[in-house]
Amino acid sequence: SQKIEQNSEALNIQEGKTATLTCNYTNYSPAYLQWYRQDPGRGPVFLLLIRENEKEKRKERLKVTFDTTLKQSLFHITASQPADSATYLCALDLLYNQGGKLIFGQGTELSVKP
Amino acid sequence: SAVISQKPSRDICQRGTSLTIQCQVDSQVTMMFWYRQQPGQSLTLIATANQGSEATYESGFVIDKFPISRPNLTFSTLTVSNMSPEDSSIYLCSVVMRTGGGEQYFGPGTRLTVT
Repeated sequence: SQKIEQNSEALNIQEGKTATLTCNYTNYSPAYLQWYRQDPGRGPVFLLLIRENEKEKRKERLKVTFDTTLKQSLFHITASQPADSATYLCALDLLYNQGGKLIFGQGTELSVKP
Repeated sequence: SAVISQKPSRDICQRGTSLTIQCQVDSQVTMMFWYRQQPGQSLTLIATANQGSEATYESGFVIDKFPISRPNLTFSTLTVSNMSPEDSSIYLCSVVMRTGGGEQYFGPGTRLTVT
């Protein structure tokens, strides 16, 4: 069956450290993989998109890697701040086959302590 | 990016009634989607709202229960029909911009409670 799994536990880290979140998938062949941030009571906010032919993408303190052989994406937040505390969602974009639909993982709740 | 508004932001409804949620975007978009997010869960795609034609529903969702309209490029509605407490959830619309790279922009959501 098709499955997307993110870090099963909430992630607690100290301010200034690097947070690393994991997204693993099986039985999909996504064209793109996207990461979103969701704060309580709000809709998800787009952060980064990485294509199947890209290994790594960066934006300010954020870095995403995409390994289609391992079927895994890693999401890093360097020099983390308490304001980074939120739930982070990975999403597979089956663009080539499915017309732009996103399939979301269950999310990882990140808490950055001062 | 796009500015997306949803109405209502929240509602409490009685079992057996229906609620229509509106989604308005401030610019023309290519695709519009409706998602459901049940308490403590991630997002589940309900359907793709197609302009001027019937929506495309995902497995487990049917038109009789979740009728969707999209009369133009910037507006869509989702109706939750004959509601039961199991329909209590947050309903979100999202859009893909014409000039974007495939990322989706989400509305603030409609929090529905069915009693």
